[in-house]
Amino acid sequence: GAVVSQHPSWVICKSGTSVKIECRSLDFQATTMFWYRQFPKQSLMLMATSNEGSKATYEQGVEKDKFLINHASLTLSTLTVTSAHPEDSSFYICSAPTRTGGDGTQYFGPGTRLLVL
Amino acid sequence: DAKTTQPPSMDCAEGRAANLPCNHSTISGNEYVYWYRQIHSQGPQYIIHGLKNNETNEMASLIITEDRKSSTLILPHATLRDTAVYYCIVRVIGGNTPLVFGKGTRLSVIA
Repeated sequence: GAVVSQHPSWVICKSGTSVKIECRSLDFQATTMFWYRQFPKQSLMLMATSNEGSKATYEQGVEKDKFLINHASLTLSTLTVTSAHPEDSSFYICSAPTRTGGDGTQYFGPGTRLLVL
Repeated sequence: DAKTTQPPSMDCAEGRAANLPCNHSTISGNEYVYWYRQIHSQGPQYIIHGLKNNETNEMASLIITEDRKSSTLILPHATLRDTAVYYCIVRVIGGNTPLVFGKGTRLSVIA
């Protein structure tokens, strides 16, 4: 299957700092990528849709000014958690469909575990 | 909200077939059935998907009922490494729509 990578795999930061997470499609181009968040013992919750060359669309309740998304190229989307607080500690996962339309299967990155102290 | 219903947990003996059911009674004609699994502390892994015909790949088989209102994922010879949460998801054909995750089924493979 297609490969999606994330970096870093885990990060610990102090409260008030910003953290950038990268999501890359390694062997295919993705005009769209999705960002999810998963709290312990819960399912994945969609945060936002990242669109190459245009603004991201955010799910209800997700602060766009706090979670900045930039889809700089067809293989890279970044999620920046600004002024992180302990409640932002979570497992962040990105995904990308292998092609637009049809049954383009989505592949997921390995996830980034964020701990805010 | 997820459009599927799955049992919260199941056990399976190692080496036996694991049959994971999923109800999607409100599925539309333009929606696929996808299965993913998530092993602890990892991103979800794609397993298989289908529209109306049964499908098989190197990981699993997918059996979809004729009315498409339910499906079963079959892992023919479960191993301890198959212990994971399995998600059944319906997704519309075409477009770049995200996957909506329900609670899934926690499969425990027991030695």
